[in-house]
Amino acid sequence: KAGVTQTPRYLIKTRGQQVTLSCSPISGHRSVSWYQQTPGQGLQFLFEYFSETQRNKGNFPGRFSGRQFSNSRSEMNVSTLELGDSALYLCASSNNPGALGETQYFGPGTRLLVL
Amino acid sequence: GNSVTQMEGPVTLSEEAFLTINCTYTATGYPSLFWYVQYPGEGLQLLLKATKADDKGSNKGFEATYRKETTSFHLEKGSVQVSDSAVYFCALSGQYQNFVFGPGTRLSVLP
Repeated sequence: KAGVTQTPRYLIKTRGQQVTLSCSPISGHRSVSWYQQTPGQGLQFLFEYFSETQRNKGNFPGRFSGRQFSNSRSEMNVSTLELGDSALYLCASSNNPGALGETQYFGPGTRLLVL
Repeated sequence: GNSVTQMEGPVTLSEEAFLTINCTYTATGYPSLFWYVQYPGEGLQLLLKATKADDKGSNKGFEATYRKETTSFHLEKGSVQVSDSAVYFCALSGQYQNFVFGPGTRLSVLP
């Protein structure tokens, strides 16, 4: 089985622009979660989608949004980029979130640099 | 809410040294516990997990035991290699709850 894929792997944007990141989960997985990883804040949960519905959301401003398509692929969008949005954005998929011992499988991440 | 505390490091060891990375947690109910590893330039990979008290997870020479009485899940390896240099994350997942990750511990192993 192919793993979780994320595109693009690297991105450079300027302040005020918007960006869309894509994640394709492992085949058959219905849940996709997004995380922001920075040296100062560590790994922070952004949101989780399951069967095209946002089930959980972290403590991020409304500039961060996402969606999930019927094939479970997910996108996240950040509008009006700020310098502080520079980070590694990780996507993780799972088949049965919330089940005992259910594992999240991570993609390689998209590294976003905002200038 | 649920939380995970782990030693932040960095931890620097010589090859073949013994490794312990401490992890303690706060959670309601009976969470599952995980260790993930992140190599440079990559995403997180599952290293091992345990789903109930006294369970021992193990993989690639790493071990961790789910200790409910001390709410801990310490990671150990008897003899580290240079290739073990990475960032290690302790995490928990409650039933029908999101994953919660610790801050990560950077390990550097010197030849």
